[in-house]
Amino acid sequence: AQSVTQLGSHVSVSEGALVLLRCNYSSSVPPYLFWYVQYPNQGLQLLLKYTSAATLVKGINGFEAEFKKSETSFHLTKPSAHMSDAAEYFCAVSDRSGGSNYKLTFGKGTLLTVNP
Amino acid sequence: DAGVTQSPTHLIKTRGQQVTLRCSPKSGHDTVSWYQQALGQGPQFIFQYYEEEERQRGNFPDRFSGHQFPNYSSELNVNALLLGDSALYLCASSLRDRGFYEQFFGPGTRLTVL
Repeated sequence: AQSVTQLGSHVSVSEGALVLLRCNYSSSVPPYLFWYVQYPNQGLQLLLKYTSAATLVKGINGFEAEFKKSETSFHLTKPSAHMSDAAEYFCAVSDRSGGSNYKLTFGKGTLLTVNP
Repeated sequence: DAGVTQSPTHLIKTRGQQVTLRCSPKSGHDTVSWYQQALGQGPQFIFQYYEEEERQRGNFPDRFSGHQFPNYSSELNVNALLLGDSALYLCASSLRDRGFYEQFFGPGTRLTVL
């Protein structure tokens, strides 16, 4: 069974500061990993994905994440926070085996607040 | 190119009623998955449809059922609504080819059960 743990339900940073959102996963097979962003009253938008190519993945809006197998982690970072980054962020894992049909298992989310 | 669309945007029902939510996948996609997102929680997988059949199901009771049409659009039906069914229901579409299945999400339907 797969699972995702997002450490910290709420992260607050100042504008221009480093953003670090933590995600640890559990999977019995090599996973695909995703970060999604959700703005208020909207659906989910894909930020970036790991699919077993490069371990450092670059996404949209200046975000990136590094897959660390030894730590079973996939933390999301951005060097300099912008006010528009304020949103809820979800880490998700997908089993690559065909039998699971690639359903996504999500963490509980981290609310990012950016202070001026 | 239209993305994933869902209707209605909002819905209010009372306990015991039945509801149908609709989803049109992104152009070219053939697989539809449904997720339930309760307030303050991450989305939870309900089920997935491909070739008009339910292919996989999450931990949801039989009150939750679905359908996929030949044009790949899909419906989610919930019978005997409970207060706990109040949530944002998200539809995601993907293309079932070789490789990974990136899922594109719609804006969701907000269901309130009174």
